[in-house]
Formats: sequence, structure tokens, C-alpha cells
Amino acid sequence: DVKVTQSSRYLVKRTGEKVFLECVQDMDHENMFWYRQDPGLGLRLIYFSYDVKMKEKGDIPEGYSVSREKKERFSLILESASTNQTSMYLCASSLLQGGYEQYFGPGTRLTVT
Amino acid sequence: KNQVEQSPQSLIILEGKNCTLQCNYTVSPFSNLRWYKQDTGRGPVSLTIMTFSENTKSNGRYTATLDADTKQSSLHITASQLSDSASYICVVSEGTYKYIFGTGTRLKVLA
Repeated sequence: DVKVTQSSRYLVKRTGEKVFLECVQDMDHENMFWYRQDPGLGLRLIYFSYDVKMKEKGDIPEGYSVSREKKERFSLILESASTNQTSMYLCASSLLQGGYEQYFGPGTRLTVT
Repeated sequence: KNQVEQSPQSLIILEGKNCTLQCNYTVSPFSNLRWYKQDTGRGPVSLTIMTFSENTKSNGRYTATLDADTKQSSLHITASQLSDSASYICVVSEGTYKYIFGTGTRLKVLA
């Protein structure tokens, strides 16, 4: 079974802190994604990576950066957390492009106070 | 603009009853359409996938339909169980890395 794990289930940070969210997948998938999920808005793509060290901006990249140094690991970085970044963050991976199934991690609920 | 709209937003049914969730999309190009189930506090899990040429796909008590002409899909749940209480998300793929997500239908099954 594909397994996607995220470093924390719940996280509370203060405004202005630098925040790291880590995601690891164990199925040698090329593609990895970071989404945020807010009530009434659905999942919105923050960043996408199709290979090691490669990244593409999604729909809402402002205030975020990412790092993919190894194929299995994709990190989301909030350079200076703000209260409007309070959200559920979901990581996903998929084998290839072309609409392959995305496998999601359990999510990290981040609260910025 | 590529969009996926789901209805209803929320639904409450009694255990053992059937229900149908709707998904309308305006995504082009179209590669496939998936239905995901998301339990509270968890990541989404795929239930079914449908490509352009498929009309119906079943997964146990879940049956998805696709009408590519009208760009509509439905997810029918038969003989609902308490464990079906979750959000159901319709996702359409353009065929690249782009997945367009609906906002989901929140289903509550009561005993």
C-alpha cells in the first residue's frame, strides 16, 4: 500500500515564525503536491514537484516555498507565518503526470496565533 | 475557467437509505474524474476513477456515473452505513499535473 506521511497532525505557531511541514512517500512516486484545504473552498494547490529539485507554483504560492532534495521527501516552508495561513495542509503524491491517482497524507492542521 | 461544482453541500440520511451526490464540471481538456472520500481529520481516499469512455463504475456500495456530453457525474451510495459519514470530493484531471477539486458534499448518516 502507498503510504504518505506528514510530520505533524497538529501544529500551533506564532505569527512571524518560520514553519516547516514535511511529507514523505514510500512508493517512489515522481510527483508530489502540497495543498491547503479551507471550509467552502476545496483543496487549493500551493506547489507541485515533478522531480527532485524541480518545483512549480500552484494557484496560491504566495507566502510559501518548497524543497525537494530527495525523491521521497517534499517540504513546505512558511517563511513568516501569518494568521491567514491557519488551515489544513495536505500532501499528496502520484506516479506520473496524466491524471494518475493522487495518494494523500493524513494532513497537518496548522494554527497560527 | 475550469470548475467543479458539487451538490448538495451537505446531506443527512438515515442508515440503510440510499443517496446520490452530484458533480458538474467545466474542465478542458478532460482526462478523468475521481470521487474521493474524506473522513474528518483525514486525507482523501480514492473511491472510483472514470475516463471519458466510461459510463458507470462500481466499488462495493458506491456507484459512480459519468455523462461526458453534459459534463455531469454522480456518486450513488446504496444501503448507507454509519461509516459512510464523510465528505465526498469530486476531482477532475486535465491530464497534466492539474487536478480540479470540488468543494465536496458533507454526508451524515444517522442511526
